[in-house]
Amino acid sequence: DAKTTQPNSMESNEEEPVHLPCNHSTISGTDYIHWYRQLPSQGPEYVIHGLTSNVNNRMASLAIAEDRKSSTLILHRATLRDAAVYYCISWNSGGSNYKLTFGKGTLLTVNP
Amino acid sequence: DTGVSQNPRHKITKRGQNVTFRCDPISEHNRLYWYRQTLGQGPEFLTYFQNEAQLEKSRLLSDRFSAERPKGSFSTLEIQRTEQGDSAMYLCASSDLKGTGGNEKLFFGSGTQLSVL
Repeated sequence: DAKTTQPNSMESNEEEPVHLPCNHSTISGTDYIHWYRQLPSQGPEYVIHGLTSNVNNRMASLAIAEDRKSSTLILHRATLRDAAVYYCISWNSGGSNYKLTFGKGTLLTVNP
Repeated sequence: DTGVSQNPRHKITKRGQNVTFRCDPISEHNRLYWYRQTLGQGPEFLTYFQNEAQLEKSRLLSDRFSAERPKGSFSTLEIQRTEQGDSAMYLCASSDLKGTGGNEKLFFGSGTQLSVL
């Protein structure tokens, strides 16, 4: 799995957009970019993933740089419930690359 | 869809005792994963099953750790002769392989918090 780099922590205000960056400069052409988040005392939760094109779902948007060396998770209007650790992971579970490998992630604090 | 269920939620044991955790995956999910998480760290992969076959167990932390998934349904993780360093959150996840390659999504349970005194 390609190594990803994320800031240790970020802070946002409620109802404002949040842009969580991730660098993955050594990503292979077949690795997808996955985002999971972990709320306090819970297991990780899938957020979104993509390969090359930007992706949107009900939780967030994922903007992927044209060279795929970086991406940004966008929460359009942060709520207090979005306070969590966000993990950016590059992964393709095909072949022998079976495991999702987590780093330390970004701790997002949302201020009321 | 009731989600991935893990029991117990909390386990306190004395050093040297054996403990067993159970994971019930989402129905018909054929892949099942075990992870361990210590404070301030991301989850660390331990082992995984595809149906009843344990396809990777080299990341189990020592021979005191073992996992089973009889009949490809629920799974158990056992730790024998527990040590204080085993204190951690043990997480289970499942996936259905409907998404292949990079489209696989893992669904995690809430974990079992183990405290070894």
